[in-house]
Amino acid sequence: AQKITQTQPGMFVQEKEAVTLDCTYDTSDPSYGLFWYKQPSSGEMIFLIYQGSYDQQNATEGRYSLNFQKARKSANLVISASQLGDSAMYFCAMREPLYNFNKFYFGSGTKLNVKP
Amino acid sequence: DGGITQSPKYLFRKEGQNVTLSCEQNLNHDAMYWYRQDPGQGLRLIYYSQIVNDFQKGDIAEGYSVSREKKESFPLTVTSAQKNPTAFYLCASSLTDSGNTGELFFGEGSRLTVL
Repeated sequence: AQKITQTQPGMFVQEKEAVTLDCTYDTSDPSYGLFWYKQPSSGEMIFLIYQGSYDQQNATEGRYSLNFQKARKSANLVISASQLGDSAMYFCAMREPLYNFNKFYFGSGTKLNVKP
Repeated sequence: DGGITQSPKYLFRKEGQNVTLSCEQNLNHDAMYWYRQDPGQGLRLIYYSQIVNDFQKGDIAEGYSVSREKKESFPLTVTSAQKNPTAFYLCASSLTDSGNTGELFFGEGSRLTVL
């Protein structure tokens, strides 16, 4: 089974509107971390936001928030007030302990296009 | 400024040649990783290292080799045994202690094209 599933290959959003990027995950470990990364066309991966499995509140970082629904195993990224510079690929990732190593699993990504 | 430096940014290789991608970090991170990214896909783990002089195979290690002689450096060699090496390669590092989020810090990537 896929560890991380992103079902939206591409999304369009109007500038200044909010957009939700979907992510579901699969793990049986009680201790894990969830991450979102942004990858502009230049290729670098930029860390956006983190949610720990024991965190009670949804994580927020500026215009980014993570809608964490543990029972449904979903970790959707919400971007408020979209800007043209938000156009990029977005990857959801999960960190899971594996023996003495933290292994990261990445989804296939969602390409976001912000329209002026 | 602390960060991860990958070089070269672009690399062309003829079939049958080995190439080495450089990765240097000055973040004092113990763990370092190499990932491969193909178009329209997520990242797949090639090799990782948690301490100097120790490294482990990831999910797609065949045709690749690494070394970790210094904490700061984790070079990746793409050998002629790698059947389809054309891809975007990302190096990353992270802290390993439990008192932080442990996110991956990435370099800017190296794009390898086999001619």
